[in-house]
Amino acid sequence: AQSVSQHNHHVILSEAASLELGCNYSYGGTVNLFWYVQYPGQHLQLLLKYFSGDPLVKGIKGFEAEFIKSKFSFNLRKPSVQWSDTAEYFCAVVGTGFQKLVFGTGTRLLVSP
Amino acid sequence: SQTIHQWPATLVQPVGSPLSLECTVEGTSNPNLYWYRQAAGRGLQLLFYSVGIGQISSEVPQNLSASRPQDRQFILSSKKLLLSDSGFYLCAWRAGLLGRETQYFGPGTRLLVL
Repeated sequence: AQSVSQHNHHVILSEAASLELGCNYSYGGTVNLFWYVQYPGQHLQLLLKYFSGDPLVKGIKGFEAEFIKSKFSFNLRKPSVQWSDTAEYFCAVVGTGFQKLVFGTGTRLLVSP
Repeated sequence: SQTIHQWPATLVQPVGSPLSLECTVEGTSNPNLYWYRQAAGRGLQLLFYSVGIGQISSEVPQNLSASRPQDRQFILSSKKLLLSDSGFYLCAWRAGLLGRETQYFGPGTRLLVL
């Protein structure tokens, strides 16, 4: 069965600090990987996705994520966060050919101005 | 472009009352549709998915049911709500080529059962 772990449940950063949110998954086959973001009061939005190819993917708003197959990881990064990045971030994985997108429990990021 | 609608946005219901949440998708045909529940600190849990009219797959046993009466309509229901049914319910649809599908989410319905 697929599973996703997000080890950081709450992260507090000051503006301009660098961000890295961890995501590890458990699945032996080929996977597609996603990061979603939920800003306060808004719906869940796609931040970035990985299907194949270059393991470093770039998303919206300056976010990027790196797929490291040997570590079963897909960590999210941003070099310099802004107050507007305050949100909850979800990592998700689906084994190719499966219907079920499996989510991590989310990481709440608070960026103080 | 494709859009996904959910209503109502917020709902407060007494225990034991029925429930009907609606999700509709515009701008696409024969989409795969999904119902998720989001609970604080627990991420998103897949409840049901549907690959076509009348085709429903249930992921977890529960007090809820789903139906797909039309191609772009997906309904989440309950005959008698429980306190534990409170939560944030999200509908999603899946887009993309085979092997490169992405799910996109609606605005959600916040349900409070009292």
